[in-house]
Amino acid sequence: GQQVMQIPQYQHVQEGEDFTTYCNSSTTLSNIQWYKQRPGGHPVFLIQLVKSGEVKKQKRLTFQFGEAKKNSSLHITATQTTDVGTYFCARDSWGKLQFGAGTQVVVTP
Amino acid sequence: GAVVSQHPSRVICKSGTSVKIECRSLDFQATTMFWYRQFPKQSLMLMATSNEGSKATYEQGVEKDKFLINHASLTLSTLTVTSAHPEDSSFYICSARDPARLQETQYFGPGTRLLVL
Repeated sequence: GQQVMQIPQYQHVQEGEDFTTYCNSSTTLSNIQWYKQRPGGHPVFLIQLVKSGEVKKQKRLTFQFGEAKKNSSLHITATQTTDVGTYFCARDSWGKLQFGAGTQVVVTP
Repeated sequence: GAVVSQHPSRVICKSGTSVKIECRSLDFQATTMFWYRQFPKQSLMLMATSNEGSKATYEQGVEKDKFLINHASLTLSTLTVTSAHPEDSSFYICSARDPARLQETQYFGPGTRLLVL
């Protein structure tokens, strides 16, 4: 079936640095959502992108949806220790979410 | 904001027993809820869609007779893991959308950690 691929699997970041996690699909996506899951916690919705080339920002987080709607990225600037967790992209199909593998982010002070 | 709760948060049971997990939408009605399973260091995998007043629909590879789902009201869905085995040990999470909201936001419950001995 259709899969949503996500890289990298792990990301070690020095506090203050930037990083990006990428999500790719072999087929066109109608939408892409991003979630954050803190260690031991549950996924928390961050944002949904639906338009080709869409860019949305939430403070230090920048979300992009590719022009072909086959890829998406999450870029975090000036990483803080509170950014620790796993970031998932997900494709929403009538409420059913197909998650990427996630990028586990570890922040070094 | 919308909140989804789950009970219990953690459960330890013996192999062969059954465990019931509750998922409640606290301030909205949800005709549909979703059940996911997450093994350690892995992503979330959809198990089934819980439909109020009708049968749940299961994803490929998920045994409907082992994972019984009941959605008896607009605010409650239950997942029963029957005859649990150690390989069923996992993090079970439910989610729901508030139909009154325009944004397609999924609200996840806090999850239930199941350990089968």
